[in-house]
Amino acid sequence: KAGVTQTPRYLIKTRGQQVTLSCSPISGHRSVSWYQQTPGQGLQFLFEYFSETQRNKGNFPGRFSGRQFSNSRSEMNVSTLELGDSALYLCASSLTIIQTDYGYTFGSGTRLTVV
Amino acid sequence: AQKVTQAQTEISVVEKEDVTLDCVYETRDTTYYLFWYKQPPSGELVFLIRRNSFDEQNEISGRYSWNFQKSTSSFNFTITASQVVDSAVYFCALSGGNTGNQFYFGTGTSLTVIP
Repeated sequence: KAGVTQTPRYLIKTRGQQVTLSCSPISGHRSVSWYQQTPGQGLQFLFEYFSETQRNKGNFPGRFSGRQFSNSRSEMNVSTLELGDSALYLCASSLTIIQTDYGYTFGSGTRLTVV
Repeated sequence: AQKVTQAQTEISVVEKEDVTLDCVYETRDTTYYLFWYKQPPSGELVFLIRRNSFDEQNEISGRYSWNFQKSTSSFNFTITASQVVDSAVYFCALSGGNTGNQFYFGTGTSLTVIP
C-alpha cells in the first residue's frame, strides 16, 4: 500500500512569505503528526491531529498552524517565514492515537529553504 | 521532563564489524515507549523497533539486536556484521506516558560503514 506522501518535496521561499505543506497519510490512518528537523535543534514535535482535531501541540510560535481534513489529509502552514524556519518537515501517520506495535510511519519530508 | 540522549554523534566502522549505538532516556512516567528509527539520505524515518516500558526482553531481528535495561534507562542498538547499506543516521525516541504520543528524539548517531 502507498506510504505517507508529502508534497512538495522541495520548496524555496522568501523571508516574510507564507507556505503550506501537505501530507497524505496511509489509507485508513487517522492520526497525523508533524515534526521539524533542523541541524541545530534536531527533530521537534509540531502538532498532532486525529479526526480533524488538534490533540497535541509542540512549543512553536503561532506562525505555525495546521489542520486535518475529513479524509485525514493534513496541511501545515507557516506564515511570515523566517530564515530559521528552513528545515526538513516530516509528517507521520498512525492508525489511531493509541501507540501501536508499529509506531508511526513517516513520509520523506518537505525540505523548506527560506532565503 | 522527557529526554533522550545519544552521546555518539558519529561512528565509522569497517564493513562486517559489529557496532553498538547507545541511547539513554529520562522520564518520570511508568508507562512509556521506546523506538529506534533509521534515516537514510532520502530523509524518511524508517521504523526499526518499538518497546514498551514493561517489556525488558532483549530482541534480535536478523543482524539487529536491542538491549533494553530499565535499571540504567538505556535502550542500546547493535548491528552485527555491518554492511554499507547500514550507513544512515539512527534516532532513538521516547513516547507515551503522560505527555501523549509525541516523540522525543535523541540527536541521532550518524553511522558510516566503510567498505
